[in-house]
Amino acid sequence: GAVVSQHPSRVICKSGTSVKIECRSLDFQATTMFWYRQFPKQSLMLMATSNEGSKATYEQGVEKDKFLINHASLTLSTLTVTSAHPEDSSFYICSARRGSDEQFFGPGTRLTVL
Amino acid sequence: EDQVTQSPEALRLQEGESSSLNCSYTVSGLRGLFWYRQDPGKGPEFLFTLYSAGEEKEKERLKATLTKKESFLHITAPKPEDSATYLCAVNSGYSTLTFGKGTMLLVSP
Repeated sequence: GAVVSQHPSRVICKSGTSVKIECRSLDFQATTMFWYRQFPKQSLMLMATSNEGSKATYEQGVEKDKFLINHASLTLSTLTVTSAHPEDSSFYICSARRGSDEQFFGPGTRLTVL
Repeated sequence: EDQVTQSPEALRLQEGESSSLNCSYTVSGLRGLFWYRQDPGKGPEFLFTLYSAGEEKEKERLKATLTKKESFLHITAPKPEDSATYLCAVNSGYSTLTFGKGTMLLVSP
């Protein structure tokens, strides 16, 4: 149990376009999901907390207008990178919280902006 | 502010050579300490949750222990497939996890 999927696993886009990443909890309901960003050889950096049916909470320094988060159901959260630029290239990972504490992570999405 | 420090940054072992990874933490009130394994290009894989000092959990060749200031991940007789980055994270009750930078483990045959 506790499987989280992400789609796509890899995406390449042109500068200025928008990219949507989906995160799904496959075998449990998650009222809270999280979006992280990870640079090479560094640890995970929390970008935002996504709560089902309400607005996401963004960490300091994360542009909410650039990284749009929608958590429309108990099993799906989406991250849209708007007007992507090369500096947005990174590894994006979502997690879903089961119960009150444990977080289970998706396999990640590698975004490359040309 | 919660802080998590992992050591060593990197560890190279021979197959069968047991060792331990350290995770030191500073939190206002621990609601859980988590260990994850991360392979290159993949998301973290959940290993253990520890809640109180003295607690221990085991899974195959891995054993996690917890004190009031630190946690250890003991690896007994490691195999090459145990090579990965091991991440430690704490939850202090604000619903988010604070991660350490990880220990990159390489086990040579």
